[in-house]
This record gives sequence, structure tokens and C-alpha cells, in this order.
Amino acid sequence: GAVVSQHPSRVICKSGTSVKIECRSLDFQATTMFWYRQFPKQSLMLMATSNEGSKATYEQGVEKDKFLINHASLTLSTLTVTSAHPEDSSFYICSAMARGDSPLHFGNGTRLTVT
Amino acid sequence: DAKTTQPPSMDCAEGRAANLPCNHSTISGNEYVYWYRQIHSQGPQYIIHGLKNNETNEMASLIITEDRKSSTLILPHATLRDTAVYYCIVRITGTASKLTFGTGTRLQVTL
Repeated sequence: GAVVSQHPSRVICKSGTSVKIECRSLDFQATTMFWYRQFPKQSLMLMATSNEGSKATYEQGVEKDKFLINHASLTLSTLTVTSAHPEDSSFYICSAMARGDSPLHFGNGTRLTVT
Repeated sequence: DAKTTQPPSMDCAEGRAANLPCNHSTISGNEYVYWYRQIHSQGPQYIIHGLKNNETNEMASLIITEDRKSSTLILPHATLRDTAVYYCIVRITGTASKLTFGTGTRLQVTL
């Protein structure tokens, strides 16, 4: 089945630094990937839609200059949390879909802790 | 995408069938019903999806009412490993079509 790999699974960083999270589709090409954020005991909230070769589309309230998304190839999208603050500590999850009518598949998430 | 309504929590005894309901009364004709589950601290796992016919795979069965306003996910023989939050989502298919998560149903499978 379709596999989405996310790296790293956990990261701890200091306030003010930047963190990059990678999302790879391992056995299919994904023209579109989605980035979600999940706070404890809450549901997943869509942050942005990442389109290969073009700019990402951000959901309302998500700062595009703080959460930089790059989708440079059909198998890789990256999310960079810039100038991280403790309130950015969360569980970040990516998802991807092959071309055509197929379900979205999710990575195993990245738990970010900003100290 | 249409909204869905699910009970916040359910319990099920191990070995019994778990029937998880979902209401989607405003679903439109081109929206599919998708089910995902999320085990603690993991990414969501795809279970099954359907348009109007009942569907079955190795994980579960999906029963969609004739008017498509509700559906039921059936785990035929629940195990402890099925303890998770189950999300019912309606979505138009297509490469740019996102999944919008509600609050889901927390299924607790017990001995």
C-alpha cells in the first residue's frame, strides 16, 4: 500500500531556532501534499496544501512566513517552522495522495517541542 | 466539504463487533464517505471509503444508507489494538481535495 514517510519523528529545539520536517511519498508520486497540526486532545487542523512546483495554499490564520512549505519534487515536501516559539510545540502530520482517485495517506507525524 | 456528526466515545468488548455511526445529512452527490483512525501519537490510518454502495475490505465494512445521510463503520471482531479515535469524513475526490477532520469517536476496546 501507499507509504508516506515523515522525518524526524521527534525534535526538540530552542526558542528562536528553525526546524525542518520532511514528508516523502515512498512508492508513489504525489502532486499534492497536506500539512496538519494537532494539539493535545484535539483533532487535526489543516495548515496548508502543498502543490508540487507551485506555492503552497495556507489555511486562514496560518502564517505563511512562519511555516515555510517547499514541494520541490513529486515525492518530497518540507515544512520549516521558522523562529520557533514554545506555542509552536505540537504534533505535525503530513499526508499525500497519488494522482487520481485514491485515499490520502498519512505520515506518522513529528512531535515538535520548543524549549 | 459536508460536516459529519459522530458520538464522542464508545466502548466495545474484545471479540465483539464494533459499530461506529456517522451522520452526514448534508452530503452532496459527489462526496465520498471516508473513515480513518488514529492510534495515540501516530498519524491517521486509512480504513475504507465509499460513495453509495456498501464496501468491505480486510479491515472493516462500511454501510451507507440509501439516502446517504448516514453510515456505519463495522469492525467485525474488535481487538485491543483497535482502540483509537475514528474519524468519519466526507470529501470530494480529486487531487486538490483536502480532508477536514472533526472530533471523531474514541473507541475503547476492553477485555
